[in-house]
Amino acid sequence: DQQVKQNSPSLSVQEGRISILNCDYTNSMFDYFLWYKKYPAEGPTFLISISSIKDKNEDGRFTVFLNKSAKHLSLHIVPSQPGDSAVYFCAASLNTNAGKSTFGDGTTLTVKP
Amino acid sequence: DAGVIQSPRHEVTEMGQEVTLRCKPISGHNSLFWYRQTMMRGLELLIYFNNNVPIDDSGMPEDRFSAKMPNASFSTLKIQPSEPRDSAVYFCASSEFPGTGLSSNYGYTFGSGTRLTVV
Repeated sequence: DQQVKQNSPSLSVQEGRISILNCDYTNSMFDYFLWYKKYPAEGPTFLISISSIKDKNEDGRFTVFLNKSAKHLSLHIVPSQPGDSAVYFCAASLNTNAGKSTFGDGTTLTVKP
Repeated sequence: DAGVIQSPRHEVTEMGQEVTLRCKPISGHNSLFWYRQTMMRGLELLIYFNNNVPIDDSGMPEDRFSAKMPNASFSTLKIQPSEPRDSAVYFCASSEFPGTGLSSNYGYTFGSGTRLTVV
C-alpha cells in the first residue's frame, strides 16, 4: 500500500509560468510534509516543508499548500525557471517517529526556455 | 560542512560477493537513514538510526542486509551475499531530530548515493 502518491510522473511548463506539483497521502496520522528536488546523479535536496498545523508555507518562489481534509498537498513554483527542471519528491512523516519519512515516486518537472 | 559523504560512488560486484557501503553523516545530526532507489519501488527506507541506535529496520529486505552505526560519525550498510536484484542506488541521509517544535524544519540532507551493480 503506497501511502504517498504522486500521480503525475512528469510535468512540462514554460519558463516564467507557474508549476504545480501534486501529492496525495492516505495516512491521516502524517503530520509533517516535505518536498525534495533531485538532479541526476545527485541525492535529493530538501526544498520546503509544512507542518499539519499550517495550510501554507512560502519560501521565495516556492509555496507548499496543505489540504488536510483532502489529504492533499501541492508545491507551487512561481515563476518557473529552467534550473528548476528536476525530479520532485513529496514526503510525509510522523512528528513522533524520529523524522522517518515516506516518499512518493516523484514527478519530473521540465521547464522550457 | 561537506554534507553527507557516501562511499564508494559506484560499485560493481559479482553475485555472491560481499558489498559494504559507507556513510558519514553531518556532524551534529542525530538521525541517520538508509534508502534504496529503484525504478520499480522508488525511494524506500531500509533502516534508520536515532542517536546511533537502530529504531526501525522493517524495510531491510532480507537477512542478507545488515547495517551498523558504531558511532555518531559513521554508518555501514552491508549486503552479503549480493544478488543482481540488489542493484540500485543506495542513499544515506541524516537529520537533526527533534527540532525546536512543530514548525521546525528537519528535512533530510542526502548524500550523493552509491550506485550498486551486481552482475
